[in-house]
Amino acid sequence: AQSVAQPEDQVNVAEGNPLTVKCTYSVSGNPYLFWYVQYPNRGLQFLLKYITGDNLVKGSYGFEAEFNKSQTSFHLKKPSALVSDSALYFCAVRVGSYNTDKLIFGTGTRLQVFP
Amino acid sequence: EAGVTQFPSHSVIEKGQTVTLRCDPISGHDNLYWYRRVMGKEIKFLLHFVKESKQDESGMPNNRFLAERTGGTYSTLKVQPAELEDSGVYFCASSGSASGANVLTFGAGSRLTVL
Repeated sequence: AQSVAQPEDQVNVAEGNPLTVKCTYSVSGNPYLFWYVQYPNRGLQFLLKYITGDNLVKGSYGFEAEFNKSQTSFHLKKPSALVSDSALYFCAVRVGSYNTDKLIFGTGTRLQVFP
Repeated sequence: EAGVTQFPSHSVIEKGQTVTLRCDPISGHDNLYWYRRVMGKEIKFLLHFVKESKQDESGMPNNRFLAERTGGTYSTLKVQPAELEDSGVYFCASSGSASGANVLTFGAGSRLTVL
């Protein structure tokens, strides 16, 4: 079955330290992978995506993610965390045919950055 | 450009009542999606419209849910009669084309609480 796993419900990190939010996936074929972020009382905002090419993808707000095919992972990273990065992060993979953008999401990881 | 707008932001109803959620996609976006997140769980796909036609409704949980998109502009999602397990956040998203690599733009969500 096609799925996305985010093994950590919450990640705590001190401001200025590097952060990692983990994501693994299980799909048939080549994956299209996405990270979205939800700030309080806001909608899901797109951060970055991997379609093809360089395994290291750079996105908004200084975030980046590394696609690892052998480990079927797409971990989100940032070299230096900010308190304002505190939010709920969702990893997603596209499934379906050529004419659909249906996404399968993980359960989300709450990132808490402490001053 | 205006984003995806959802109304109401929060609705509290009693079991057995009816609720209608509305989504206004980005103007010109033919593709409109509904997703739902039940407390603490993953965001799940409900259905996909292309203009006024249902492209994929495989995620609709049961026949108490009815989605419409008359005229191919805004969409409504009606729950009738509502049950306790319908509580959650309902997200709407839109995109200009369903290319697979395309990014969905999400609304802020409609939180439904069924008592």
